[in-house]
Amino acid sequence: SQKIEQNSEALNIQEGKTATLTCNYTNYSPAYLQWYRQDPGRGPVFLLLIRENEKEKRKERLKVTFDTTLKQSLFHITASQPADSATYLCALPLRGGSYIPTFGRGTSLIVHP
Amino acid sequence: SAVISQKPSRDICQRGTSLTIQCQVDSQVTMMFWYRQQPGQSLTLIATANQGSEATYESGFVIDKFPISRPNLTFSTLTVSNMSPEDSSIYLCSVERTGGDEQYFGPGTRLTVT
Repeated sequence: SQKIEQNSEALNIQEGKTATLTCNYTNYSPAYLQWYRQDPGRGPVFLLLIRENEKEKRKERLKVTFDTTLKQSLFHITASQPADSATYLCALPLRGGSYIPTFGRGTSLIVHP
Repeated sequence: SAVISQKPSRDICQRGTSLTIQCQVDSQVTMMFWYRQQPGQSLTLIATANQGSEATYESGFVIDKFPISRPNLTFSTLTVSNMSPEDSSIYLCSVERTGGDEQYFGPGTRLTVT
């Protein structure tokens, strides 16, 4: 199964700056990688999916990159806002050929006004 | 998208008792999933529940401890049996969008075992 590594330390940034979160994985190369947002007391909410043949994906202020050589994904939030403060989870297929995700521990992002 | 509700939202239970968590989806889905999120940990898949068949459990989880029912395409229950303090966790129900490229999650049930 996959091992997913996300920085356990919270990321503190100033409003308006770009936040960059990292997700590293081991073992097999996944067919896709997902990012979710989780607020306290709530279930995760899907944000973006990037497939193995895609280098970059954008959605509004969000950008995800996927480097299968480095086995790494970067998640960027540009022009960050205090409302972006949350925990961001990286997810990969639980098993090769599976659509069921397994999740990293997540990185907490705190955007200061 | 799918709207998922869970009951109860939270509970405090005594050691040795059992709690049944309900998950209701606003549309028919083939597979429903149950995850556990222990404090400071990632979400861990407990089992996959298909309507009309036995649930499929992940390594480390057994039916006697976490019996699951799936009576129809919009509803499932997870029971946490013979609870111990180690079962204190958030339990989340999820479904996948048709095509499988994203999951929708319920709000979770926060369980505390004393």
